[in-house]
Amino acid sequence: QKEVEQDPGPLSVPEGAIVSLNCTYSNSAFQYFMWYRQYSRKGPELLMYTYSSGNKEDGRFTAQVDKSSKYISLFIRDSQPSDSATYLCAMSGAGGTSYGKLTFGQGTILTVHP
Amino acid sequence: GAVVSQHPSRVICKSGTSVKIECRSLDFQATTMFWYRQFPKQSLMLMATSNEGSKATYEQGVEKDKFLINHASLTLSTLTVTSAHPEDSSFYICSARRIGVNGNTIYFGEGSWLTVV
Repeated sequence: QKEVEQDPGPLSVPEGAIVSLNCTYSNSAFQYFMWYRQYSRKGPELLMYTYSSGNKEDGRFTAQVDKSSKYISLFIRDSQPSDSATYLCAMSGAGGTSYGKLTFGQGTILTVHP
Repeated sequence: GAVVSQHPSRVICKSGTSVKIECRSLDFQATTMFWYRQFPKQSLMLMATSNEGSKATYEQGVEKDKFLINHASLTLSTLTVTSAHPEDSSFYICSARRIGVNGNTIYFGEGSWLTVV
């Protein structure tokens, strides 16, 4: 079993839809949770960053972490064609050298069509 | 703009040769950098942690003699793929940890495409 599970999709939605992306994990040591967006042949771009459980909102993006269920989500409101990319969840332990050693999900390919 | 720079962005080398990829933090000092590898349609897999002034820490299954990492300064880490083979062809990405008063942030480079022919 992988430490981080993410449905690779692909996921196709119409413009304006609400997108829900999810990851589950098995390592209870993970304390930091991130969502990255990756365009084809480019490095990942940080979208959201959350420490421990809770919700965080930034513009059209909302990240949720439920540590009791080992489940994290990213919601994209009013999706745009420019949101079409691969979305990667990533996690890290806390403290010292653990922070920054990210374990990634497989990535979900999202296409938002006009 | 980018805060972590990788060079080269693309490189083609012959089988058996070595190739070096550089990772630079542009406006901050990074005592710790990380190297990942990403095969097509797969996720990023951590290869090693690069520590300034000390030896790199490799993940299980990564050959340290094949993937040489040198963190010579607070803004530069290099990954050298030695005696490259076609199966080493991949997308190599580095990240750097920026320590700030409000917490730490991880920034990724743009990645380097390696093709071994």
